[in-house]
Amino acid sequence: SQQGEEDPQALSIQEGENATMNCSYKTSINNLQWYRQNSGRGLVHLILIRSNEREKHSGRLRVTLDTSKKSSSLLITASRAADTASYFCATDAPGANSKLTFGKGITLSVRP
Amino acid sequence: GAGVSQSPSNKVTEKGKDVELRCDPISGHTALYWYRQSLGQGLEFLIYFQGNSAPDKSGLPSDRFSAERTGGSVSTLTIQRTQQEDSAVYLCASSPRLTGKNEKLFFGSGTQLSVL
Repeated sequence: SQQGEEDPQALSIQEGENATMNCSYKTSINNLQWYRQNSGRGLVHLILIRSNEREKHSGRLRVTLDTSKKSSSLLITASRAADTASYFCATDAPGANSKLTFGKGITLSVRP
Repeated sequence: GAGVSQSPSNKVTEKGKDVELRCDPISGHTALYWYRQSLGQGLEFLIYFQGNSAPDKSGLPSDRFSAERTGGSVSTLTIQRTQQEDSAVYLCASSPRLTGKNEKLFFGSGTQLSVL
């Protein structure tokens, strides 16, 4: 079963705009991670936020975590055409036998 | 190697045939994971290895699926008597330790399996 549910399912924006993607989950977590997937193949890790953290930055990426609402958001600022990809959130839950559970992903299209 | 390597990158097989998918993790990574991704879907967990041991096989869809890892390195995922619903991208990932230690996963490019 899916632990993380991303929202929206698809997002189309103009280059230079900011993109905000949301993820909700159901159980308590050790950490939440965001990954990017190009061309439907391998995923690339973007950022990890631990359950005791509320916000984290990495370059143009900003991730927030609200454990009381069981939700996270990924903000990509000043988007570029190269940011076009699918984005997945993944949760690492206590007692989950050390496996990451992924959502269905968000398809982001950045128009030049 | 520099990253996680999977082979073959594409595999077309006939229904009923057996297939073997190979994953070569990053050197020194003790944890190895197999996921399956069907068209337009998220990742479905199949199995993970800590060293050569697979503590959790609950994600394997049926007894036609099996996996092994030898020497704490290369892993093979075997699907016997393939069915059309097995068609998907099979992704392998590795990490230095289990993800319960706040580790991230390093993914291979996947094997696209098509069962005709």
